[in-house]
Amino acid sequence: EPEVTQTPSHQVTQMGQEVILRCVPISNHLYFYWYRQILGQKVEFLVSFYNNEISEKSEIFDDQFSVERPDGSNFTLKIRSTKLEDSAMYFCASSEAQGATGELFFGEGSRLTVL
Amino acid sequence: AQSVTQPDIHITVSEGASLELRCNYSYGATPYLFWYVQSPGQGLQLLLKYFSGDTLVQGIKGFEAEFKRSQSSFNLRKPSVHWSDAAEYFCAVPGNAGNMLTFGGGTRLMVKP
Repeated sequence: EPEVTQTPSHQVTQMGQEVILRCVPISNHLYFYWYRQILGQKVEFLVSFYNNEISEKSEIFDDQFSVERPDGSNFTLKIRSTKLEDSAMYFCASSEAQGATGELFFGEGSRLTVL
Repeated sequence: AQSVTQPDIHITVSEGASLELRCNYSYGATPYLFWYVQSPGQGLQLLLKYFSGDTLVQGIKGFEAEFKRSQSSFNLRKPSVHWSDAAEYFCAVPGNAGNMLTFGGGTRLMVKP
């Protein structure tokens, strides 16, 4: 069964460092997303991406964050200068269709710990 | 803004017992509603979804959910819980724009032997 894969599964970094989280969405999917879950809190939407550009982003997704699809398979989330409060589980998701009817398929997550 | 509330943070049930997880939504129109499960160390997996039609929706792993407009609820049920059902369960609705989901706070289910 096709799946969304994420790397690394866990990354520990120092505050102020740049982090890149990588995702390989399901191959025929066109819509890509990043969500995050701070420990003990809700899963929160960060950004959605379609046709090589951001289609929506939340208030959380400030100038420190960026996304990119550098090739035909990877979808990355970059945090330019990490802060302690960026520590969270980051989930990548993809969908075939747009909007609420498009089922989102999630990866297993990348846990980011900022020290 | 659309939102969902899951009133129960933790629930513990005995294996073989029935289960009901609560979800209340706030939504301007007829909602699309989803239940996702997150098993330990795993990503979020879609259990079931409601778009329209029959208000009782069947999902994977023996789960079902019933949409009740009068109560603004979409509770998840299972007649007989298995130990492998121990996980965190999230109710979700579409966000303010159609391309995202807004999740509830989650309910962590523990299953006693």
